Formats: sequence, C-alpha cells, structure tokens
Amino acid sequence: QVQLVQSGAEVKKPGASVKVSCKASGYTLSSYHIHWVRQAPGQGPEWMGIMKPGGDDTGYAQKFKGRLTMTGDTSTSTVYMELSSLRSEDTAVYYCARSLVGATTQGPYWGQGTLVTVSS
Amino acid sequence: DIQMTQSPSSLSASVGDRVTITCRASQGMGNDLGWFQQKPGKVPKRLIYAASSLQSGVPSRFSGSGSGTEFTLTISSLQPEDFATYYCLQHKSYPYTFGQGTKVEIK
Repeated sequence: QVQLVQSGAEVKKPGASVKVSCKASGYTLSSYHIHWVRQAPGQGPEWMGIMKPGGDDTGYAQKFKGRLTMTGDTSTSTVYMELSSLRSEDTAVYYCARSLVGATTQGPYWGQGTLVTVSS
Repeated sequence: DIQMTQSPSSLSASVGDRVTITCRASQGMGNDLGWFQQKPGKVPKRLIYAASSLQSGVPSRFSGSGSGTEFTLTISSLQPEDFATYYCLQHKSYPYTFGQGTKVEIK
C-alpha cells in the first residue's frame, strides 16, 4: 500500500534552514507528483509547492520562491523539502502528499506530518 | 496567480440541515477544483474532485457543482460527523491555492 513517511520534528532558530524528508513506498516515486503543504497552528492548510521526482516539473507558491527547495532521490524513493531563512511565522506542521489533486479515485496520500518550530 | 475566495468563513447549522459553501476564483479555471474536509488533528480528506465528482467512499449527501469561477459544495442533510472545516483547492495552474476555509459548527 502507498505510504509516505516523514522525518521527525525539528526546532530551529530564526534565520536557519530546515530539511524535511518524505520516504515513499508502495509505488514508483517518479510516477507521481509530490506536493508540500503546511499548516500553522489554528490555521488552514497552505499549499507550498509541487515537484515530479526525477522530472523537471516544479511549481512554487510565490511567497516561498527563493526560500523553498524541493528535491528527490529516486534511488531511495525519498523527496526532500528545504526551507531557508526561517522565521517564527514558519512554525507549522509540514506535510508531503501524493494525489492531492486530479481525477484520482484513490487518495490523497499524506505523510504523517513534521512539526517545525522556529524559536530563538 | 488564481485567488480563491471562500464563503462563509463559518456557519452554524443543525443536524438535517442543508448546507452550502462557495468558492469563487479570480479567473476562470474550468473544473480544476477539489473540496476537502478537515477535523481537528487530522489531515484534510478529499470529498470531491474535478468540481463535481464524488471521491470513493464519501457519502452521497456531499455534492459539488460549478465551473469557471464559481463552485459550490453542498451537504444535503448535515450529520453529526460532518461538523468540521471545509476547504476548496484550485489546481488549474501553479501556484495551487486553498480557500480560507469554512467552519461548520453545531447550532
């Protein structure tokens, strides 16, 4: 079955970077796009970006351009999301997701979430 | 970028009520829209894809309609398990965007 397993919680200081991993199993990583979505405490979900592992298709929310890097390693079926120049407003749970959109009868599939806390 | 305006931001309703939630897009987007339900501490669950197609396993009291710039999620007869927050998500073009959410509360 499809599973996305994310790395553990992180605590970072303002100005630092964080890198979250998302390991996929149960399917071929390069066959599907991966989305990154975050949710700050008490707020709605926020779409951050999308990538096709092993391909060239990427998209970013404007507010993250220049700070967000998404990469994939098909040999380990793992995708990564790195967010730089962290500020307190970046404190949130970060999710990877597959089949979030489109005419798919199954899914979406979500990682379990990674809490990133930015605090001095 | 396509901006999504969701309304209302919250509503109070009783079990058995018909509930309607609307998302308006800043530009035409065909039917590239999904509706999600989120309960506290859980990830969003997709209810509707392609604006009006019911996700497998979702009760038929949920329905979606619309195309272009105006979309609607309707719950025909609200059940106790439907009290949650609902979001639309447009995927016509990058960047994708969620609506601001509608919290459905018990009257």
